[in-house]
Parts: sequence; C-alpha cells; structure tokens
Amino acid sequence: DAKTTQPTSMDCAEGRAANLPCNHSTISGNEYVYWYRQIHSQGPQYIIHGLKNNETNEMASLIITEDRKSSTLILPHATLRDTAVYYCIARNTGGFKTIFGAGTRLFVKA
Amino acid sequence: DVKVTQSSRYLVKRTGEKVFLECVQDMDHENMFWYRQDPGLGLRLIYFSYDVKMKEKGDIPEGYSVSREKKERFSLILESASTNQTSMYLCASSPSGNEKLFFGSGTQLSVL
Repeated sequence: DAKTTQPTSMDCAEGRAANLPCNHSTISGNEYVYWYRQIHSQGPQYIIHGLKNNETNEMASLIITEDRKSSTLILPHATLRDTAVYYCIARNTGGFKTIFGAGTRLFVKA
Repeated sequence: DVKVTQSSRYLVKRTGEKVFLECVQDMDHENMFWYRQDPGLGLRLIYFSYDVKMKEKGDIPEGYSVSREKKERFSLILESASTNQTSMYLCASSPSGNEKLFFGSGTQLSVL
C-alpha cells in the first residue's frame, strides 16, 4: 500500500469547513483512498473512501485530484464533536492489512 | 449499524496471568482483526482471521494467540501477560472482499 503524508495537526473554527489534506504521490491505480477518524479513547470510525471520483456521504466529502497524488477530506460544517485524529490510508483491494499512520489531529474550536 | 463489542473497557491484570480479550460482531462479517495502539506507535496489527478457525499473524504476534470458534467471536489471548503488553486493544471486523473496517470501542489493558 502506498505511503500517505498528512499534517500533524490542524485547527478549525466551529461552523466552518475543515479541509484535511493528504498526499499519496506513489499511489497505484488500484489503490483506494480511505479516511477514518478516531475520537479520544474510542476505536477508529470509517468516514469515506474513493478511487478517483469525488465522493460525498452524510459525514464528509472526499476530493481526489485528477492525478490521484493527493486528496482532501472536507467536513462542511465542523462541530466540537469533530475534534479527533483523522487517518488517510491508501489501500489495495484484496488482502487484509490496513496500515494506519499517525494521522492529523484536528482541533475544532468554539 | 454494525456493532463490534469488546467485553471490557478497562482491565487490570498482574504479570504472568493469562488474559482473554473477547470481541463479538453482529453483522456476519467474515474478517476479524486485533490491533493494539500505543502512543507514538499508532495502530499495529496483531492477528486477523478470515474465517472460522482460520487465523493469520499480523505484524506483532509475539506473546499473543487468538481463537475463532464461531464466526461472530474473535478472542485475543495473552498466555502470560507482561508489562510491555499494557496497551489499548482494538478489535475490528469487515465483510469479505470489503476493506472497510468496523472497530469496537477498545479495551485499555494495564499489566502490573
């Protein structure tokens, strides 16, 4: 699976959009981009995933660049409960291993 | 919604004790996983299972074993607990052919 690079931490004002970037410049054609988040003292929670098209669900939007070398997770109206560590993962189909990096610690401030 | 339930939220054990961590999922998932999470080291895969009675080593299996006698239940066993096994243990499941993981809330194990 390709290595991903994320900023260590980010701040966001409550009610504003939170845009979390992820670089995956060595991603291969059959690797999906997955996002999870982990609120303090809980297990990670799946947010969204995509291959090359932009994706949206009730939690977030995922924007993947045309060359697929980077992506952005967008939380459209961040709330205090969105404060968490966000993990970006490039994951091959098949196999069983999902490798979690250090992620981005997002602080949403009132 | 998928529910992955870990039997204990907090557990305190003594060095040398045999420890069982239980995990149950209610969505008929084929795959189940045990991770541990430590500050600065992230989540590391201990063992996984892709079917009943089947198990595979992850990245850090030493000192652990697992059991999967029923599809919904995956147990992690510390044969002789040591202080370096103090950690947050996370169980996860996923359907076959789907890489999306569903995690439990975790068990914080302290070995004294």
